[in-house]
Amino acid sequence: SQKIEQNSEALNIQEGKTATLTCNYTNYSPAYLQWYRQDPGRGPVFLLLIRENEKEKRKERLKVTFDTTLKQSLFHITASQPADSATYLCALMGRNAGNMLTFGGGTRLMVKP
Amino acid sequence: EAGVAQSPRYKIIEKRQSVAFWCNPISGHATLYWYQQILGQGPKLLIQFQNNGVVDDSQLPKDRFSAERLKGVDSTLKIQPAKLEDSAVYLCASTQANRESDTQYFGPGTRLTVL
Repeated sequence: SQKIEQNSEALNIQEGKTATLTCNYTNYSPAYLQWYRQDPGRGPVFLLLIRENEKEKRKERLKVTFDTTLKQSLFHITASQPADSATYLCALMGRNAGNMLTFGGGTRLMVKP
Repeated sequence: EAGVAQSPRYKIIEKRQSVAFWCNPISGHATLYWYQQILGQGPKLLIQFQNNGVVDDSQLPKDRFSAERLKGVDSTLKIQPAKLEDSAVYLCASTQANRESDTQYFGPGTRLTVL
């Protein structure tokens, strides 16, 4: 069966360091992969989208990589700040999926000052 | 631009009772989704509407859950009767069209507690 795995343990890092979050998937051939941020009591907010034929995407301090051979995406936040503390969700969309997303369980990031 | 609106924000009911949630998507967004997010997990799609038609409801427990979007704008999700395992946050999301690269915009969710 299709599986999307994110580290369920919280990631604790020091302010200013680079945070790296991992999203692994099995039995899936996604056409798109998206990353969302979710704060407590709020809905997810879209951050970045990367297509299957793209290796890397950047937006300000954010960088996403997509390796379809390893079936893995890495999400990096450089120069992290306490305001970056949140849960980060990866979501996959298959080909001809009608814009339907399948979400991973999310990883909680805590950035300490 | 106003975001996706949902109400109520919180609801506590006893098992076997009924409950309904309401969602108003971003103006002009044709596609609307309902997700269930259990504590500690990612959102799980329940149903997708394109205008007032159902695109996918394969993960909707149809024996107790129902949803409608009669005029192609706002939508309601109903649970009848509720079970303990239905305790979760119910998220509504919308996109402008149904293109695969469209960003989904989420509402704040309704937190349901079933006692």
